[in-house]
Amino acid sequence: QSALTQPRSVSGSPGQSVTISCTGTSSDVGGYNYVSWYQQHPGKAPKLMIYDVSKRPSGVPDRFSGSKSGNTASLTISGLQAEDEADYYCCSYAGSHTFGVFGGGTKLTVL
Amino acid sequence: QVQLVQSGAEVKKPGASVKVSCKASGYTFTSYYMHWVRQAPGQGLEWMGIFNPSGGYTSYAQKFQGRLTMTRDTSTSTVSMELSSLRSEDTAVYYCARDYPPSTTVFDYWGQGTLVTVSS
Repeated sequence: QSALTQPRSVSGSPGQSVTISCTGTSSDVGGYNYVSWYQQHPGKAPKLMIYDVSKRPSGVPDRFSGSKSGNTASLTISGLQAEDEADYYCCSYAGSHTFGVFGGGTKLTVL
Repeated sequence: QVQLVQSGAEVKKPGASVKVSCKASGYTFTSYYMHWVRQAPGQGLEWMGIFNPSGGYTSYAQKFQGRLTMTRDTSTSTVSMELSSLRSEDTAVYYCARDYPPSTTVFDYWGQGTLVTVSS
C-alpha cells in the first residue's frame, strides 16, 4: 500500500484535459509545498514534470500544471496528446527521516 | 550533459547481497545529493534513501534500515547502493536519481535503472 493515494487510471481524448489527484496527510502533502510529479513511459526511467506543487522544469510543456489544496495535490494535463499516454506518479517530501513518499501511480490512456 | 549510468542487471539468491553502482557525469559530483528509488515489476515507485556524495550523510527509509548501505567513490564520481539479506520481494528495478537543489526530494535526472532479480 502506497503512502499517497492516486486513482489507478484516467483517460481522455486528444485535446481534452484530465486531472490526476494525489491524496496524502498533513505529514506529507498537506505539510509541505514539496510535491512533485513524474511521467513514466513503459520500460523507461521516470521524468520530472512538476516540482514544488506547481513549478515546471525547463522543457516541460505548459500543458502540464500542478496545484494543491489541503492534503490533496493535483496534476492537470490540458490539450491531451498521444505521447502523454504514460504512468504518472506523485511524490511528496515527508520530513527529514522519511524524505520521499510516492503515490501508487496513475495510468493515463489517451483514447 | 548530465548523465547517470548504472551497472548491469544482477541475479542473486535469497540471503545474498547486491551492489548497484551509478556513475555521474556532466556536473559537479559532490554538489548534489543522490537518491535511490526502486520499482518492483508492475508496481509503483518506492523511495529507499538519500546520500550526500560530499560528506557521506545518509538517510534510509525505515523499511531498509539495517539492510541498506550507500557509499561513494569521489575519484570516479560513482555512488553505490548495497542491499543485503535479499528476499524475493526485493526483485525490482533500482534507480539512482539526482536531487534537485532548488527544492527537496525532487529527482531531476535518473539513471537508466538496474534490474535485480532475487531467485533461488
